[in-house]
Amino acid sequence: NAGVMQNPRHLVRRRGQEARLRCSPMKGHSHVYWYRQLPEEGLKFMVYLQKENIIDESGMPKERFSAEFPKEGPSILRIQQVVRGDSAAYFCASSLRGTGGRTNEKLFFGSGTQLSVL
Amino acid sequence: QQQVKQSPQSLIVQKGGISIINCAYENTAFDYFPWYQQFPGKGPALLIAIRPDVSEKKEGRFTISFNKSAKQFSLHIMDSQPGDSATYFCAASKVDDYKLSFGAGTTVTVRA
Repeated sequence: NAGVMQNPRHLVRRRGQEARLRCSPMKGHSHVYWYRQLPEEGLKFMVYLQKENIIDESGMPKERFSAEFPKEGPSILRIQQVVRGDSAAYFCASSLRGTGGRTNEKLFFGSGTQLSVL
Repeated sequence: QQQVKQSPQSLIVQKGGISIINCAYENTAFDYFPWYQQFPGKGPALLIAIRPDVSEKKEGRFTISFNKSAKQFSLHIMDSQPGDSATYFCAASKVDDYKLSFGAGTTVTVRA
């Protein structure tokens, strides 16, 4: 009974390179959420996706960041031309329905990808 | 801008003691208040949650106290154990929203 799987666990990139973070939700879950955790801060919502659809990307920076959740395969968070300020832990979560953790709807988090930009 | 303010940043408690973490919010539209526990190298996991129609919820050694008029809620860990050593996040969400607003986290260390 695998949980939410994220890879890689650690990703090191130089400034200007691209970072691709992958997330496979729990089995049977079709709702995926990405959160970013900066040092000394709590998690901040980035984007909510369902299969093949971006539902809410209000927390995503307008440039360089994109996310997808294709019909087949994991959800991908892509950061182009990374800068030092992108260094953070990126967490993916999934839920069975689209309530994202409310009330009786449990939100399951992966172990995160720690992105370090040199 | 932090919508949920959490304190303290860290605390140390002796085994068997009580750990208390406080959170405050401004947005009166928030109506769901979960607490998440995160161990090093792991993602947050839901620990306990409360709705504002009750003032207290208890699950085992963990209790949430909620003060709607003060817009504050807190987590009490009774009889703290070394295995409780982790980072705890409070969070909140609105009635029609799936997005969680998290506090900055409290690192709890339980000394044996």
